[in-house]
Amino acid sequence: NAGVTQTPKFQVLKTGQSMTLQCAQDMNHNSMYWYRQDPGMGLRLIYYSASEGTTDKGEVPNGYNVSRLNKREFSLRLESAAPSQTSVYFCASSERPGGLAGELFFGEGSRLTVL
Amino acid sequence: LAKTTQPISMDSYEGQEVNITCSHNNIATNDYITWYQQFPSQGPRFIIQGYKTKVTNEVASLFIPADRKSSTLSLPRVSLSDTAVYYCLVEGAGNKLTFGGGTRVLVKP
Repeated sequence: NAGVTQTPKFQVLKTGQSMTLQCAQDMNHNSMYWYRQDPGMGLRLIYYSASEGTTDKGEVPNGYNVSRLNKREFSLRLESAAPSQTSVYFCASSERPGGLAGELFFGEGSRLTVL
Repeated sequence: LAKTTQPISMDSYEGQEVNITCSHNNIATNDYITWYQQFPSQGPRFIIQGYKTKVTNEVASLFIPADRKSSTLSLPRVSLSDTAVYYCLVEGAGNKLTFGGGTRVLVKP
């Protein structure tokens, strides 16, 4: 049982390049989330998807887009990367939307450096 | 959206009990309180969740007073491997599961 799988684990981009971070969960969870964590800081929510077919903005959505491809997969796209987007990105999933006694399961993270 | 406040850091020694208090003054009636643990280079991991009074599992206890405006995570007899960052979250319907800055716990030998 893999849980939450993120790809790639490491990526270096040049300013202005685009890329997509992939996330897949095999727990049949309804809700999925993308967070970013800057060095020494807490996690900040970028986007989330309460259920298949829905997405919503979190605290820091600017510069990102998401796609809930199906129940398993939730991708995060950077259209034009900027150095300020250098961070570790975590994908998470939960059985139920936040607030209904759900537990978040996290992936191992994707480390992105934008030069 | 319920905001949480935690101490930035705490030091302890092996074998001691560690108590971390989180303030959430504007918690709503239907909100739950959840704690996560994060080791370096890993995603956070669920520790415990509660609504009121006391909840205990194999790794921690969570104490929530009657007014629910704060909560305390208790880690009994910590070891070096409990050195981590601990996050308090308030989860309610429609909440965006926002993490605060967390509390860095350093367990010394």
